[in-house]
Amino acid sequence: GAVVSQHPSWVICKSGTSVKIECRSLDFQATTMFWYRQFPKQSLMLMATSNEGSKATYEQGVEKDKFLINHASLTLSTLTVTSAHPEDSSFYICSAKAESNQPQHFGDGTRLSIL
Amino acid sequence: KQEVTQIPAALSVPEGENLVLNCSFTDSAIYNLQWFRQDPGKGLTSLLLIQSSQREQTSGRLNASLDKSSGRSTLYIAASQPGDSATYLCAVRHNFNKFYFGSGTKLNVKP
Repeated sequence: GAVVSQHPSWVICKSGTSVKIECRSLDFQATTMFWYRQFPKQSLMLMATSNEGSKATYEQGVEKDKFLINHASLTLSTLTVTSAHPEDSSFYICSAKAESNQPQHFGDGTRLSIL
Repeated sequence: KQEVTQIPAALSVPEGENLVLNCSFTDSAIYNLQWFRQDPGKGLTSLLLIQSSQREQTSGRLNASLDKSSGRSTLYIAASQPGDSATYLCAVRHNFNKFYFGSGTKLNVKP
């Protein structure tokens, strides 16, 4: 089946640093990728939708200058948390899909801890 | 805006019991509904996908139903096992893109 790889799976870093998370579709071309965030004991919340080669569409309340998304190719999207602070600590999950009527496939997530 | 609610938030049962998890949504104009399982610190595992034109889907001990008109779905787990312990998420999809997730039901099956 379709595989989405997310890297790293866990990252701990100091406050003020920037962290990049990669999301790759390994065996299909992902025209659209999605980034979700999950705070402890809460559900997944969509942060942004990105289509290959165009700017990401951010959900209300998500700072686009804080969470930089790049979807430069059909198999790779990156989420960069800039100048991360402890309140950015969360579980980030990406998903990807091929054509518009195809299912989404989820990565295993990245646990981000900012000290 | 679509709102997805899951009841109960947590459930603890002895092994072997049959159980039902509930999901309700406010906007019935959905494309499909999906049930996921999430283990602590892990990503999502898709369990069952019900298209808007379908009433139910079955996979092994799992059965999911969909009543779009009333905005409800149930996930039925038969003969529960300790390995079923996880958080179960319900998600509705409105168009080709967006999922709206419920807050989940945390299930604990005691040996």
